Amino acid sequence: DQQVKQNSPSLSVQEGRISILNCDYTNSMFDYFLWYKKYPAEGPTFLISISSIKDKNEDGRFTVFLNKSAKHLSLHIVPSQPGDSAVYFCAASDYGGSQGNLIFGKGTKLSVKP
Amino acid sequence: ETGVTQSPTHLIKTRGQQVTLRCSSQSGHNTVSWYQQALGQGPQFIFQYYREEENGRGNFPPRFSGLQFPNYSSELNVNALELDDSALYLCASSPPGGGNTEAFFGQGTRLTVV
Repeated sequence: DQQVKQNSPSLSVQEGRISILNCDYTNSMFDYFLWYKKYPAEGPTFLISISSIKDKNEDGRFTVFLNKSAKHLSLHIVPSQPGDSAVYFCAASDYGGSQGNLIFGKGTKLSVKP
Repeated sequence: ETGVTQSPTHLIKTRGQQVTLRCSSQSGHNTVSWYQQALGQGPQFIFQYYREEENGRGNFPPRFSGLQFPNYSSELNVNALELDDSALYLCASSPPGGGNTEAFFGQGTRLTVV
């Protein structure tokens, strides 16, 4: 039973446009959510996070939105760049992120076309 | 500041053998977690070590074991290897103090069991 779901295995976007990656979760005890980016042959790289007490967090081109009632979060990338092409993982934790285990979705492969 | 490093990068083992994977945590980080990423899946939590003791474990059998050393580096040991153990094994380290901070991942060890 997957607690964190990324239902879109892939997404293709034109350079300069917005990329929206979605993530759903089932466990209402999750209190911290993170997005990681992964290139082939590299480990996941932290992108942005959000605590359950917030509904939005922004860092440069990246914004994460959290809708607790719907148990849904999304990552917006504006504007998208070819270098953003990677697999994006949504992860959740119920121990404040660093001290507990992270539960990952299966990932969404983003392709940004020039 | 050095990042998380893992060794070896690639490894081929025969079913039934034992394997040891190594991880050096990022400078100043005292918590190390191990994840298994099968093909097409997100990383799955194996266990976490904090101050040389296991501090949480995922749904993995006892033949998966680990160690953390006084310098916070860590080992993952897998006994009686099975074909399904073929995966990318990721190590992640986190800084002390708890709270909502991200985990930093190494590049991973690709294990193939034949």
